[in-house]
Amino acid sequence: KQEVTQIPAALSVPEGENLVLNCSFTDSAIYNLQWFRQDPGKGLTSLLLIQSSQREQTSGRLNASLDKSSGRSTLYIAASQPGDSATYLCAVRQGGATNKLIFGTGTLLAVQP
Amino acid sequence: KAGVTQTPRYLIKTRGQQVTLSCSPISGHRSVSWYQQTPGQGLQFLFEYFSETQRNKGNFPGRFSGRQFSNSRSEMNVSTLELGDSALYLCASSLTSGTSYNEQFFGPGTRLTVL
Repeated sequence: KQEVTQIPAALSVPEGENLVLNCSFTDSAIYNLQWFRQDPGKGLTSLLLIQSSQREQTSGRLNASLDKSSGRSTLYIAASQPGDSATYLCAVRQGGATNKLIFGTGTLLAVQP
Repeated sequence: KAGVTQTPRYLIKTRGQQVTLSCSPISGHRSVSWYQQTPGQGLQFLFEYFSETQRNKGNFPGRFSGRQFSNSRSEMNVSTLELGDSALYLCASSLTSGTSYNEQFFGPGTRLTVL
């Protein structure tokens, strides 16, 4: 059974710092991995999608990497801003004829001005 | 292009009642998935519909059901509500189902409170 873990559960950093969020999964047979952010009481915003054949994806200040063999993904945020404060979730899709995502527990990020 | 819309945004019901939530996917998207989010269990998959057919179902009791219409809009229904059904219900849409590249886009959610 696939299990997805995110460490740390919470993180507080001063504005301008570069930071790394971690996501690990137990079953390496995944189709893709997606990173989301969630603001309090809101829906999920898709940040990056990494297909199983890719090693990394970049969007603006965000860079996500994927190492399937070790069951790990990282989300790197450069030059953090207070607007980056949110919960960050990673989710894996196992594959087959389904879009079912298995989510991690999330990392609550606070960027202090 | 409009995003995923969910109605209603907030709902208060009492135990034993039933509720129907609606989701309109992004135009052109044919796959709709539903998730339940609670502080204790996190985000859990309920079911997925593609071209009006249920593709997959999560580990929820039969009180939770859904359907998809020919225009890809989807509804989920919860009968005989229990206090534990209080949650944020999220809908996600995707262009297709079962391919290796399939980014999913989420709606704002429906906050259900059961009293």
